[in-house]
Amino acid sequence: GENVEQHPSTLSVQEGDSAVIKCTYSDSASNYFPWYKQELGKGPQLIIDIRSNVGEKKDQRIAVTLNKTAKHFSLHITETQPEDSAVYFCAAILTGGGNKLTFGTGTQLKVEL
Amino acid sequence: EAGVAQSPRYKIIEKRQSVAFWCNPISGHATLYWYQQILGQGPKLLIQFQNNGVVDDSQLPKDRFSAERLKGVDSTLKIQPAKLEDSAVYLCASSLDGWDTQYFGPGTRLTVL
Repeated sequence: GENVEQHPSTLSVQEGDSAVIKCTYSDSASNYFPWYKQELGKGPQLIIDIRSNVGEKKDQRIAVTLNKTAKHFSLHITETQPEDSAVYFCAAILTGGGNKLTFGTGTQLKVEL
Repeated sequence: EAGVAQSPRYKIIEKRQSVAFWCNPISGHATLYWYQQILGQGPKLLIQFQNNGVVDDSQLPKDRFSAERLKGVDSTLKIQPAKLEDSAVYLCASSLDGWDTQYFGPGTRLTVL
C-alpha cells in the first residue's frame, strides 16, 4: 500500500518568513495530493490540493509543488502569520482506487511574533 | 453549506465499556469515511462507505469495532468492548463520491481509562 513520509515534524518560523513542508510517497500510481491544516480540537481542513497532471498550484500565500519523477511534493507558505500556526498533514491517494487517503505524520508549525 | 457533523465531541469511558459515535455527512455526499487519529499521528482510515455499502474496512478491528450507514446518510461507529489503546480522536469525513475531495468533521475525542 501507499506510504507517505513527511518532514519536518516541527517547524518554527518568525512571522513574515516562509515555511516549507516536504512529503514523499511510495506508490507511483497515486494521482491526488491534498494538504490539510488541523487546529487544536478541530478536524483537518483542506487548504490546497494538487493532481498528478499539474506541477504547481498556488492560492494566495499557499503553494504546492509536485515532482512525480522523484515522488515528492511540498507545501510552501509565504508571509506567515500567527494564525498559520497549526499541524499540517500531507496525504496521497489513487482516486478511483477506493479513494483511500494515506496521511503523513504531520508537521507542527509555529509562527512566532 | 453545512459541514460534517459529529457527536459527541468528547467521551470518557472505562475499559471494557461500550461507546458509539454518530456522524452526519454533508448533504448529498455519497461517500462516508471513519478515521482514527491517535495523538501525534495522522488519521488512519477505519472504514469507507459508498451510500450504505462498505467499500473498504480492511483496517477496522472487527472483533470490537462495528459501523453502519443504514439509509445511506448518517453513520454510527461502535466500539465494544473498549481497550485503553482505543483512546484517540475519531474523525468522520465525507465526499461527493469516491473520486472527490474529503471533508472532515470536528471529531470525537475518546478517552478510555
